Amino acid sequence: NAGVMQNPRHLVRRRGQEARLRCSPMKGHSHVYWYRQLPEEGLKFMVYLQKENIIDESGMPKERFSAEFPKEGPSILRIQQVVRGDSAAYFCASSPGTSGGTQYFGPGTRLLVL
Amino acid sequence: DAKTTQPPSMDCAEGRAANLPCNHSTISGNEYVYWYRQIHSQGPQYIIHGLKNNETNEMASLIITEDRKSSTLILPHATLRDTAVYYCIVRGEGNAGNMLTFGGGTRLMVKP
Repeated sequence: NAGVMQNPRHLVRRRGQEARLRCSPMKGHSHVYWYRQLPEEGLKFMVYLQKENIIDESGMPKERFSAEFPKEGPSILRIQQVVRGDSAAYFCASSPGTSGGTQYFGPGTRLLVL
Repeated sequence: DAKTTQPPSMDCAEGRAANLPCNHSTISGNEYVYWYRQIHSQGPQYIIHGLKNNETNEMASLIITEDRKSSTLILPHATLRDTAVYYCIVRGEGNAGNMLTFGGGTRLMVKP
């Protein structure tokens, strides 16, 4: 029973490039959440998605960041024109098809912007 | 979601019980207490959650006071691998439970 999978585990980008982070939820889970952890800080909620719908994006920066969870395939967190301040660990979590269910986290993607 | 207060750090001897406290005095009736831990920058790991009754699973026990204003996570026989930051989180169910709000947590150091 595979857990939440994220790839890549490490991503290096130069300023101005795009970063695409992927998350495959646990089997049977239809809710996906993205969190960001800046160096030496706690995790901060970014966005909550169900299949093909963004439910809550209150934690997403207004510019350059977008997320999707298509009908087929993984959830994608996309960061356009990355800046050094985007360097962080990005964690994805998934929960079953009931709102508010227990969230299970993936191993994270560590993004480094040079 | 209600705010939680945890001590920033604790030590525990290997093999002894680790008791991690959490205050959540503003918790409301439909909010659950969740515990997660993060081992050295890995993804947070779910431990246990409860509403008002004490709960136990293979990892830990959760003791919630009768007034629900505080709780204690108990690791019965701590090992070196239990060294981690432990987060106590209060969240609602339904649409109110979409996000987990992580505070500073308690950094537990298990020593040989």
